[in-house]
Amino acid sequence: QSVLTQPPSASGTPGQRVTISCSGSSSNIGINYVYWYQQLPGAAPKLLIYRNNQRPSGVPDRFSGSKSGTSASLAISGLRSEDEADYYCAAWDDSLPVGMFGGGTKLTVL
Amino acid sequence: QVQLVESGGGAVQPGRSLRLSCAASGFTFSNYAMHWVRQAPGKGLEWVAVVSYSGNSKYYGDSVKGRFTISRDNSKNTLYLQMNSLRVEDTAVYYCARDEGAGRLWLFGFDYWGQGTLVTVSS
Repeated sequence: QSVLTQPPSASGTPGQRVTISCSGSSSNIGINYVYWYQQLPGAAPKLLIYRNNQRPSGVPDRFSGSKSGTSASLAISGLRSEDEADYYCAAWDDSLPVGMFGGGTKLTVL
Repeated sequence: QVQLVESGGGAVQPGRSLRLSCAASGFTFSNYAMHWVRQAPGKGLEWVAVVSYSGNSKYYGDSVKGRFTISRDNSKNTLYLQMNSLRVEDTAVYYCARDEGAGRLWLFGFDYWGQGTLVTVSS
């Protein structure tokens, strides 16, 4: 069971804005960077957001990340069919210490 | 361009050992911490282990601690994962990934991933 909690699923129609939450604790999200990954079917994960809210080059600005306290969120605006994928949050936990991923959120574009 | 290529996966019986390798190219390998991440069939991502850029610091996930050993050879630009006492539940695609914190211990952000190598543990 993941210590970082994500909703198992999310959905939206093309053009909509969707958000995916990631809830942690004071020893992980509360004090460390949050990262988001996108995994398309059959592919390796891809870095989507780094250091809470930074986008790597090549990632559209439709994707944005935020962090507040012990929670983080990924927002996708102008939803497209190609955004249908699994999304994972991740953070280091200082108390254990271990790295951890959220359980993943499967995004469906209706 | 940055490339990470895993090898060494395959089918193995429970209790046996396997060593995975990850050949890195296109960047200064010795400047970056490296991680192993795995994904069981139909499941989510699970962090396995990290080794600092020098090789002096290592941490492991609870499910592999005491059985797996991460190491690196900076002269060969290669990352390793020695897996002993393998269990059925270790069946997964194993990815190596570069940490984005150049020159730092690690930040736990993976900016480049390999294509993965499948390990199947079954009797």
